[in-house]
Amino acid sequence: GEDVEQSLFLSVREGDSSVINCTYTDSSSTYLYWYKQEPGAGLQLLTYIFSNMDMKQDQRLTVLLNKKDKHLSLRIADTQTGDSAIYFCAESNPRGKLIFGQGTELSVKP
Amino acid sequence: DGGITQSPKYLFRKEGQNVTLSCEQNLNHDAMYWYRQDPGQGLRLIYYSQIVNDFQKGDIAEGYSVSREKKESFPLTVTSAQKNPTAFYLCASSIDSGRSYEQFFGPGTRLTVL
Repeated sequence: GEDVEQSLFLSVREGDSSVINCTYTDSSSTYLYWYKQEPGAGLQLLTYIFSNMDMKQDQRLTVLLNKKDKHLSLRIADTQTGDSAIYFCAESNPRGKLIFGQGTELSVKP
Repeated sequence: DGGITQSPKYLFRKEGQNVTLSCEQNLNHDAMYWYRQDPGQGLRLIYYSQIVNDFQKGDIAEGYSVSREKKESFPLTVTSAQKNPTAFYLCASSIDSGRSYEQFFGPGTRLTVL
């Protein structure tokens, strides 16, 4: 079946790097995504990676994909207090449907 | 300003009452979606619509109903048959269902059933 798993919480100090991990089960996923949700708000697409790529970098964000292990990670360099939010990993199946993980709540302490 | 609006932001209802959540978009998107978010469970798809006058059930459609009479609007009705309706409801849209990853989300409606 289709399943996406994330750890629920991560706490880091301001200025450190954050690494949020995600595992998925559907090997036919075409795209994998990271969304950010600030408190009481909707989701904002941060970045996505095509399944034939290993890495994608966008400013402070680095996405790593290990397709063999079905493992996706999001690294945020120089984490700021404004990065505190819930981060969702998601995959799209061949029918175009998005499957979301449970979300990882990132807490950045000054 | 283009975007998706949901209203109201907070909604309280008594048990046994139906309630309708509004979702409007002016992005000219064909596809629209309704998700339910519960703590620690991520987002679950309730219903989606690929085009006007057409919609399909998602993973947790029981106790919900939708309509898509206009491209801009995709209201969700939470009926009294929904056993645990208290949740945060998110509406989203995408250009078409083939590009569902480019989903734009509304700010959400928090429904509390007393």
